[in-house]
Amino acid sequence: EDKVVQSPLSLVVHEGDTVTLNCSYEVTNFRSLLWYKQEKKAPTFLFMLTSSGIEKKSGRLSSILDKKELFSILNITATQTGDSAVYLCAVANSGGSNYKLTFGKGTLLTVNP
Amino acid sequence: EAQVTQNPRYLITVTGKKLTVTCSQNMNHEYMSWYRQDPGLGLRQIYYSMNVEVTDKGDVPEGYKVSRKEKRNFPLILESPSPNQTSLYFCASRRGGSGNTIYFGEGSWLTVV
Repeated sequence: EDKVVQSPLSLVVHEGDTVTLNCSYEVTNFRSLLWYKQEKKAPTFLFMLTSSGIEKKSGRLSSILDKKELFSILNITATQTGDSAVYLCAVANSGGSNYKLTFGKGTLLTVNP
Repeated sequence: EAQVTQNPRYLITVTGKKLTVTCSQNMNHEYMSWYRQDPGLGLRQIYYSMNVEVTDKGDVPEGYKVSRKEKRNFPLILESPSPNQTSLYFCASRRGGSGNTIYFGEGSWLTVV
């Protein structure tokens, strides 16, 4: 059974702190790993990672994938209250004809002023 | 504007009363799918469709039906809703081929009493 595990499940920090969110996975037919941000509505896309060791960056957010050790991290530097959200990690696999996302349970990040 | 539109966004219904949650995308995407999101369980795939008239079960299809008569629409049908189908539902779509991100609708909060 495909599995995606995120840690920690929740995290409380102060503005300006740097956080690292973790995602490990066990899936068959791995295609890519995706990070989403969810704030009381639909998940919004952050990153898609397909190759090991190549860091993706967008402003204060960055992410990297290790396909040998089967994990990814999402870093957020200089956190702001607007970063408060649930961060979802999902792995896309292609079992048969299906392109399926298997999601982790998410990390709830709270950034206090 | 590229979007996935779901309706209704919020619904309270009674056990056994058939309901349909509509989903429409304006991006000419081949692939569409439905997920449900529950506390502690994350997002789980219900059904997916690779193209018109091609649908298949995801991880939790029991109690649901779908149809894909047109490329843009992918309704989710609950023939006889039960309280354990109370959940937040997301429709998603993506273009065919690898490396394409998934777009989510805004979500439909469904309560079955």
